[in-house]
Amino acid sequence: EAQVTQNPRYLITVTGKKLTVTCSQNMNHEYMSWYRQDPGLGLRQIYYSMNVEVTDKGDVPEGYKVSRKEKRNFPLILESPSPNQTSLYFCASRRQGAYEQYFGPGTRLTVT
Amino acid sequence: SQQGEEDPQALSIQEGENATMNCSYKTSINNLQWYRQNSGRGLVHLILIRSNEREKHSGRLRVTLDTSKKSSSLLITASRAADTASYFCATDNNTDKLIFGTGTRLQVFP
Repeated sequence: EAQVTQNPRYLITVTGKKLTVTCSQNMNHEYMSWYRQDPGLGLRQIYYSMNVEVTDKGDVPEGYKVSRKEKRNFPLILESPSPNQTSLYFCASRRQGAYEQYFGPGTRLTVT
Repeated sequence: SQQGEEDPQALSIQEGENATMNCSYKTSINNLQWYRQNSGRGLVHLILIRSNEREKHSGRLRVTLDTSKKSSSLLITASRAADTASYFCATDNNTDKLIFGTGTRLQVFP
């Protein structure tokens, strides 16, 4: 089954404790992206990647890092999480040249 | 930067009625997409309309696009309780970024 998976689905952590949210897709998509969703603000793009070893900042990159060492994986790294990063995070992918994005199920992160 | 804004923010209707949601955006676009999100779940692509198209249909969905007014509407006909979800428009202006609006929460009562 074609899908985007994220882990973990739920995470409660404390300020300053480094964490990684994994994202993997099995559709051989070139493009991958991370979004955060907050009430009243819709989805905002954090980082995106056009292909392996190619990443770029979205609209809200501060406090986040990403890497794209393999085509299927695009982990999101929070080196020193803060409470304002409490949010619902989505990973998405699409085929190069296509427009439709496929979303993962989301990761609900709470930073206390 | 927020590109799209949906209107209304929330909409409640009875099963069988039509639901109309509107999206306004700020800059020129390559295409506009509509996505659906069930509560707390990932978004699912519904339909795409290109900037040179004015109307598009897919099953019970009808999308219109008015580039002169920088607006789009999504019509769901003969709504069902299963249509209850949030609906987002997303614009693509050829910058490799998809910019989402704030969404319309649709509640369909049986």
